[in-house]
Amino acid sequence: DTGVSQDPRHKITKRGQNVTFRCDPISEHNRLYWYRQTLGQGPEFLTYFQNEAQLEKSRLLSDRFSAERPKGSFSTLEIQRTEQGDSAMYLCASSLYASTEAFFGQGTRLTVV
Amino acid sequence: DQQVKQNSPSLSVQEGRISILNCDYTNSMFDYFLWYKKYPAEGPTFLISISSIKDKNEDGRFTVFLNKSAKHLSLHIVPSQPGDSAVYFCAASAKSQGGSEKLVFGKGTKLTVNP
Repeated sequence: DTGVSQDPRHKITKRGQNVTFRCDPISEHNRLYWYRQTLGQGPEFLTYFQNEAQLEKSRLLSDRFSAERPKGSFSTLEIQRTEQGDSAMYLCASSLYASTEAFFGQGTRLTVV
Repeated sequence: DQQVKQNSPSLSVQEGRISILNCDYTNSMFDYFLWYKKYPAEGPTFLISISSIKDKNEDGRFTVFLNKSAKHLSLHIVPSQPGDSAVYFCAASAKSQGGSEKLVFGKGTKLTVNP
């Protein structure tokens, strides 16, 4: 399977705990995005990497959120001190530079209880 | 402020007929538009796109029309098939300061194709 892979698919955590999600993009794609989708809404942009550089962050990305893409390959999204409002589907997408078509992974469903 | 609007939360059509999904946008800086299809518990799947320099793009049963003056685009599916039943998202992008070409999505339209 050469698509975008996300792990885990589901995560249930208690409020206040830290969680980390992983995304493996399509291997030749140098652009990587994180989006968040809540019920009844479309995906909302969180952050963007070009290779290993994080070039853009949304206002939605509070100080409790941090993302990395070491060596420009896989990426991680960490949420510290989770809150119930963080419950959502976290989607990773990748694309080639100079291509707008982004390909999404299956997402990580986070539930904060 | 919703920059991409899909005003119909749902649409139901008969198998074999045409499905028309609509999308409006407000940001005149958008220069590329995409449609994604999403099944429950899966990520969005890219369907078709159109650049702002075109007014029509066709791929098999799927055609996207863009009316820049009206800031409106539509996705036509003909003939519709039961397997097309899914949530369809309209998305738009513009060059941003970081060069991300991030996507701005509408809220989606749930299409049901009845056999």
